[in-house]
Amino acid sequence: AQKITQTQPGMFVQEKEAVTLDCTYDTSDQSYGLFWYKQPSSGEMIFLIYQGSYDEQNATEGRYSLNFQKARKSANLVISASQLGDSAMYFCAMRGNNQGGKLIFGQGTELSVKP
Amino acid sequence: DGGITQSPKYLFRKEGQNVTLSCEQNLNHDAMYWYRQDPEQGLRLIYYSQIVNDFQKGDIAEGYSVSREKKESFPLTVTSAQKNPTAFYLCASSIEGEISGELFFGEGSRLTVL
Repeated sequence: AQKITQTQPGMFVQEKEAVTLDCTYDTSDQSYGLFWYKQPSSGEMIFLIYQGSYDEQNATEGRYSLNFQKARKSANLVISASQLGDSAMYFCAMRGNNQGGKLIFGQGTELSVKP
Repeated sequence: DGGITQSPKYLFRKEGQNVTLSCEQNLNHDAMYWYRQDPEQGLRLIYYSQIVNDFQKGDIAEGYSVSREKKESFPLTVTSAQKNPTAFYLCASSIEGEISGELFFGEGSRLTVL
């Protein structure tokens, strides 16, 4: 069975500082992908970043980077230079190659950026 | 513009009534999904479909039904058998067969049972 765990229900960060959102996962699949999504209060889900299990380098997309530690089964999201507009829910998700295309999500972390 | 359209955005239902949530996509994606979102529980998969005329149960399928008669459409029916249907429902689609295929989401439908 697959599982995604986000242990931080809520986080605060000062504007312009960096913040790390934790995500650990469990899977028996050899090949899998890890995703991060942002959900503002409007409810829309915004794709941020993707990391494949065989990718040798950590993924980066602008101010977002994924700290992928395969042996520890962690895929933490790092947001650099936080902005007020970063305040939102953040979800970690995973898809395994033997799961029929299913994408499963963690419980989410609510990030609040303080001015 | 390509995307996913969910309707209605808000829906109120009396106990014992079935309701159907619409989801239409024009992204030419084979795979479509329905998730339920509750506070502190994240997104949970209800049903998903990888191809027309085929679909699979997710983790919380009881009390829900779906159909996939057209590639573009994946409606979700919340039946009276669903004991706690008040939630935010999200429909999504993706390219089939690729682990890296991100999900594209609709804006969601908020269902409230009165």
